[in-house]
Parts: sequence; C-alpha cells; structure tokens
Amino acid sequence: DTAVSQTPKYLVTQMGNDKSIKCEQNLGHDTMYWYKQDSKKFLKIMFSYNNKELIINETVPNRFSPKSPDKAHLNLHINSLELGDSAVYFCASSHSRARGANVLTFGAGSRLTVL
Amino acid sequence: AQSVTQPDIHITVSEGASLELRCNYSYGATPYLFWYVQSPGQGLQLLLKYFSGDTLVQGIKGFEAEFKRSQSSFNLRKPSVHWSDAAEYFCAVGAVNTGFQKLVFGTGTRLLVSP
Repeated sequence: DTAVSQTPKYLVTQMGNDKSIKCEQNLGHDTMYWYKQDSKKFLKIMFSYNNKELIINETVPNRFSPKSPDKAHLNLHINSLELGDSAVYFCASSHSRARGANVLTFGAGSRLTVL
Repeated sequence: AQSVTQPDIHITVSEGASLELRCNYSYGATPYLFWYVQSPGQGLQLLLKYFSGDTLVQGIKGFEAEFKRSQSSFNLRKPSVHWSDAAEYFCAVGAVNTGFQKLVFGTGTRLLVSP
C-alpha cells in the first residue's frame, strides 16, 4: 500500500497547456504539501493545506492552483505552462502537531517537462 | 528567515569508510531538524529527526546525527558506508509559520561510493 501516491509520475507537455497532478495519502494525516524540486535538486515548498484549508502559499504564480477536496487529497493544477515550470513536484503529508513538530512523508514525485 | 546550508555539493567515499555530511542551519528558535535521503528517481525518505532531548539521534540504515546548538550544526554520520548508500542527502529545518510547519531544505549533498 503506497502511503502518498502521485499521478502521473511523468508528464511531458507543450508550453501554454494546462495540466494537473493528483496526490492522495492513506496515512490519516490532516496536512498536505506541494514541494517543487528544480533542476539543481533544490526543494522549495509551494503550498500547504490543513484539513482542506490553505495555510501556506509561498509566492507561487497564480497560474498554480492547488485544490484539496478532502484532507486525503491535494491536487495541483497549472495553467499556461512555461518552460520554467519544468521540475519534479513532490506531494507530502503529515499530522499537524503542536508547535510544528511535524514529520513529512513524501510521494515519489511527478516529473513535469515543458517543451 | 530560516535557512539551511550544506557546504558540500558532492562527496565521494570508499565503501566501508566512514561518512560525515555537514549541515548548518539558521533559525531563531529551537529548531526541529531532519535528514532525508533521495535515491535516483525516487522520493524522499526520512533518515532521522531531532526534536528535543538527547542531541545524538539514531536513524535508519545505521545513520546518526548530532545536534550542536553552539555550532548551529546537525551533521550526519555513518561508520561504514555501503554502496547502496549512494544517493542525494538533504538536511532540513522545520520552521513554524502561523502555527504550522514548513520544511526548509538545504541544497543537498550527493554521495558517491567508490569500490
């Protein structure tokens, strides 16, 4: 049983297209995240949701729109894709503990290539 | 703002030799510290974490790390490296923002293991 699963694993598309990445966790966590890993392997948080509410939004262009239909799912929709959006996108989840002592479980990543 | 520095972009170690990966952090409060490992094409796996208490923490796969507040460091060590340890290693600090945590990652250290 995969704890945090993302689909698709690979995505190749043209500039200007719109695409979505889906994430589901079966760990019973109440917080989910999207992280972006660029070509230099640098990982940066994009969004975080707690119980379906957006709690972290890190200066991400509004072409990126996360949606959390329930606390087990967090999807990422990207409009008007640009070359610079090419990256690996990681979904993660955790319990939100007091004072932030969270342990994140990551999915395997979705590699997006924009041509 | 919180930050993590991993000064070594890559390190090569002979199989069976000891390993130390360096990590320095900047954070105003008591930090929550993590080491994650990413094997090629894979997601991130938690190796170990420090929240409080004993400053020497044990993790999976024979790894350990020591929190040194005076040096703002959380170096990762392993006494004898195996070829399967070749991977990218990320140090991270858990930063609390509006009561919720986000992980701030270092730029990673690539470990190469020579025969």
